[in-house]
Amino acid sequence: DAGITQSPRHKVTETGTPVTLRCHQTENHRYMYWYRQDPGHGLRLIHYSYGVKDTDKGEVSDGYSVSRSKTEDFLLTLESATSSQTSVYFCATVSGITDTQYFGPGTRLTVL
Amino acid sequence: GENVEQHPSTLSVQEGDSAVIKCTYSDSASNYFPWYKQELGKRPQLIIDIRSNVGEKKDQRIAVTLNKTAKHFSLHITETQPEDSAVYFCAAGLSGTYKYIFGTGTRLKVLA
Repeated sequence: DAGITQSPRHKVTETGTPVTLRCHQTENHRYMYWYRQDPGHGLRLIHYSYGVKDTDKGEVSDGYSVSRSKTEDFLLTLESATSSQTSVYFCATVSGITDTQYFGPGTRLTVL
Repeated sequence: GENVEQHPSTLSVQEGDSAVIKCTYSDSASNYFPWYKQELGKRPQLIIDIRSNVGEKKDQRIAVTLNKTAKHFSLHITETQPEDSAVYFCAAGLSGTYKYIFGTGTRLKVLA
């Protein structure tokens, strides 16, 4: 599982509140990703990082921001959560030596 | 934009029969094609991958075929077992860029 953990694993919040999800990895992988998974849509890329302080937008980045101040941590922030952001969020990593992508256990977020 | 189409969205087979899932990609530059299996409530996990310099790859009961001209690739599972029941995702990417586009998933049910 490439030593990936996500916190929290479950969260219920209210519309308009800020939310931060954390991804932590222990394998020193260079690349890190945040996806959201919704029925009928598969896995859609929100943001990714190709190194400390180096990030870029994915296909569904509106309403999300990220930060990576250390190799091992990649934070996803919803500045003002909306009900459309109710989803399961997966973090993933790639070492940069191989193409293999490893996923974290996921965070189920419900925005009421 | 870049797109990966995956069919069917659901597939039911009798135990012991074969299952085939097909994907089509739009970016002709793609050269890395992984397949992931996601059991209920779990993280996606890589089960097999293929690169564009290879037409077919096998791993026990699982095989993947690639037709670069048609931009199609398929997952074949033979002698299906109940534990093969899961959601399967295909993806396409360009090796070295570490960005992948996922299909929308196929829910496979193996009936005992």
